[in-house]
Amino acid sequence: AQTVTQSQPEMSVQEAETVTLSCTYDTSESDYYLFWYKQPPSRQMILVIRQEAYKQQNATENRFSVNFQKAAKSFSLKISDSQLGDAAMYFCAYRTVTNKLIFGTGTLLAVQP
Amino acid sequence: EAGVAQSPRYKIIEKRQSVAFWCNPISGHATLYWYQQILGQGPKLLIQFQNNGVVDDSQLPKDRFSAERLKGVDSTLKIQPAKLEDSAVYLCASSPGRRGQETQYFGPGTRLLVL
Repeated sequence: AQTVTQSQPEMSVQEAETVTLSCTYDTSESDYYLFWYKQPPSRQMILVIRQEAYKQQNATENRFSVNFQKAAKSFSLKISDSQLGDAAMYFCAYRTVTNKLIFGTGTLLAVQP
Repeated sequence: EAGVAQSPRYKIIEKRQSVAFWCNPISGHATLYWYQQILGQGPKLLIQFQNNGVVDDSQLPKDRFSAERLKGVDSTLKIQPAKLEDSAVYLCASSPGRRGQETQYFGPGTRLLVL
């Protein structure tokens, strides 16, 4: 069975600085998708970025980028130029072949002004 | 484009009572999901529909939870009778259901408190 582990329950970053959130996963599949979702206090889950496992190039979306290490089963999220609006719970998720998402336990990111 | 709609946003009930949640997915999305998110945890899939058929309900407590998607559009999740441990946020999500378009879009959730 697939599992997703986020080992950082909480992180803090200064505004305009860079922060990296860690995620590791376990799977025996070779073709899959990985996601980072953001959940602000309002609780609406918002897609931040996604990575297709067969693509070696790391995905980027504006200030958000990932470091995807397939052999190590690692999928970290880097947020550059952190903004106050980035404060939220961040979830790493793995998509199974049936399109079911398996989530980690989340990392609560605080952004200090 | 309208997002995933859910109602109610909040519900407080006593244990052993019944409750129902409603979800309307993004127009044209074939796949609909219900997740349960207990405080401090990541969401856990309860049930997944492809059109009006069930794809995965392996983690749905079928003795008390039921869900339907009769016309392949909106869906209802019911709990009867509720237990204290059912207190959680219930998230509905939808995706187009086509290969290469599997990104799930989430609704605002329904926060349930069972007393």
